[in-house]
Amino acid sequence: AQSVTQLDSQVPVFEEAPVELRCNYSSSVSVYLFWYVQYPNQGLQLLLKYLSGSTLVKGINGFEAEFNKSQTSFHLRKPSVHISDTAEYFCAVKNSGTYKYIFGTGTRLKVLA
Amino acid sequence: DADVTQTPRNRITKTGKRIMLECSQTKGHDRMYWYRQDPGLGLRLIYYSFDVKDINKGEISDGYSVSRQAQAKFSLSLESAIPNQTALYFCATSDGAGTSDSYEQYFGPGTRLTVT
Repeated sequence: AQSVTQLDSQVPVFEEAPVELRCNYSSSVSVYLFWYVQYPNQGLQLLLKYLSGSTLVKGINGFEAEFNKSQTSFHLRKPSVHISDTAEYFCAVKNSGTYKYIFGTGTRLKVLA
Repeated sequence: DADVTQTPRNRITKTGKRIMLECSQTKGHDRMYWYRQDPGLGLRLIYYSFDVKDINKGEISDGYSVSRQAQAKFSLSLESAIPNQTALYFCATSDGAGTSDSYEQYFGPGTRLTVT
């Protein structure tokens, strides 16, 4: 069965520093990949998605992610973070042809002044 | 106005009570989902519905039931609430029609439920 691993439960980083949030999934069958952000007391909002095509995906708020099929990874990156990026980030995977989205356990990004 | 709304936003109830959480959407999507979020566990699927006549159990459906009253409305019920159902509950929608928005899920703001 498909699974998603976000190894880092919390990532502290100073403002204007780069950040990478890691996501690995278990099954290499045809997949769709997503990163969502959850700000305090809000629902999840899509940052970016990979369905097919270019393996480098650009999203909102300056985030990007790279799909690496051989490593079954979809890491999220931002070259320079802001205080407003403080939130929880979820990676999600959907196998092609299935209904189910599998979510990781989330990574709490805390941007320090 | 928000595309996916949930009511109530917060609810405290006692063990054994029946409670209903409601979800409405204006996206026009056929697919609707109920998730619960617990700290350190991410989101887990409770039920999903692909249209008004198609309702399916997710991975943690025990103790829950749902009703799809219309394309736009999907309610989650706890027939007899228990403390370990204390969680944050999210409704989501998606469009399975093969459009450019396909597969993205749109989430409501969540309902924080506390069972004492």
